[in-house]
Amino acid sequence: QLQLQESGPGLVKPSETLSLTCTVSGGSISRSAFYWGWIRQPPGKGLEWIGSIYYSGSTYYNPSLKSRVTISIDTSKNQFSLKLSSVTAADTAVYFCARQHIPAAETFDNWGQGTLVTVSS
Amino acid sequence: EIVLTQFPATLSLSPGERATLSCRASQSVSSYLAWYQQKPGQPPRLLIYNASNRATGIPARFSGSGSGTDFTLTISSLEPEDFAVYYCQQRSNWPPELTFGGGTKVEIK
Repeated sequence: QLQLQESGPGLVKPSETLSLTCTVSGGSISRSAFYWGWIRQPPGKGLEWIGSIYYSGSTYYNPSLKSRVTISIDTSKNQFSLKLSSVTAADTAVYFCARQHIPAAETFDNWGQGTLVTVSS
Repeated sequence: EIVLTQFPATLSLSPGERATLSCRASQSVSSYLAWYQQKPGQPPRLLIYNASNRATGIPARFSGSGSGTDFTLTISSLEPEDFAVYYCQQRSNWPPELTFGGGTKVEIK
């Protein structure tokens, strides 16, 4: 059974870079039918897609975050990662990683449990 | 950017009743529309993809319909575990991006 697990610091200072890693187990991150994505959810609010990556390294990002986001992938470790620079309090959120099924219009069919990242000094 | 508007924001119903949730896109998304269910403290769960296809393991009481700009998620008879927040999501080809609606909360009346 596929499992995704987010990891990284739960507290980041303003203006610094948020870094998270998603470790995939129970299946290969190199399967051609899937993208791998990051989504976030501020406390009490809705969902916002951040960006996605293919096993080849091809990426696409939310235009509103594109200037600050980098997503990378390490197929040897079955992991993909998120970096979000110049964070502010508005970036405080639960960050989810998820698998996207390409034939199903890239819908998110498997999710990690999410990790809360707080931006505060 | 394609904006998804969900309505109503809150739906107050009793177990056994029928729930009808709506999602409207600011421009056509063809059938590239998905629905998710989210309960407190949990990640979203995929219910419907490509507007009307149930995801693996989703009960038949959940159904989706629509195309273009107007979509509906119907829960034929609410079970106690169905009270949650529901989100729609679209995938556009150009520019390539995904967006979520603001959500509809289905609460117990």
